[in-house]
Amino acid sequence: GNSVTQMEGPVTLSEEAFLTINCTYTATGYPSLFWYVQYPGEGLQLLLKATKADDKGSNKGFEATYRKETTSFHLEKGSVQVSDSAVYFCALIPASGGYNKLIFGAGTRLAVHP
Amino acid sequence: KAGVTQTPRYLIKTRGQQVTLSCSPISGHRSVSWYQQTPGQGLQFLFEYFSETQRNKGNFPGRFSGRQFSNSRSEMNVSTLELGDSALYLCASSPLWTGSNTEAFFGQGTRLTVV
Repeated sequence: GNSVTQMEGPVTLSEEAFLTINCTYTATGYPSLFWYVQYPGEGLQLLLKATKADDKGSNKGFEATYRKETTSFHLEKGSVQVSDSAVYFCALIPASGGYNKLIFGAGTRLAVHP
Repeated sequence: KAGVTQTPRYLIKTRGQQVTLSCSPISGHRSVSWYQQTPGQGLQFLFEYFSETQRNKGNFPGRFSGRQFSNSRSEMNVSTLELGDSALYLCASSPLWTGSNTEAFFGQGTRLTVV
């Protein structure tokens, strides 16, 4: 079946540190891949997406590259800020019959300290 | 443009009761999906509706049901509530037939507590 595995948190960093959150997936074909972010007390917001192999999604300094050979979509940011503290979810929509069904990873909580 | 609106925001119910949650999608969006978020199970897909038709259903018991109206507003119902149904229920709307290359817009959720 389709599934997403992401690194367990919490991840604790100092401001301006480099961030990597690992995400791997299991799916047939070429699913679409997403990173969503959830700030405290809020719903989820799309951070970035990629729809085919080797695509790089980017937004607000965050980047992730769709790697078919390693079935991965790792999230990176060169210099985190306190305001980036949130829970990050990796997700996919299956290539076939997925419609608008998002399959999420468990989420990784990021805490950034000044 | 108004976002996705979920009502009520908070709800406390007793075991055995039933509950109905409401979701108003962004104007023009015809797809509405529901998710359950708990600390133990994370975010789990419940069901998705497009133009009043259920297209996908997650692995939940029949106590969980939903529907979509002709104006795209959606409701989900949980009957015979159990303590384990305590969760944040999130609704998302999407503008297209498939979400493979677009964004799902989420509401702030309804926090259901079953006592």
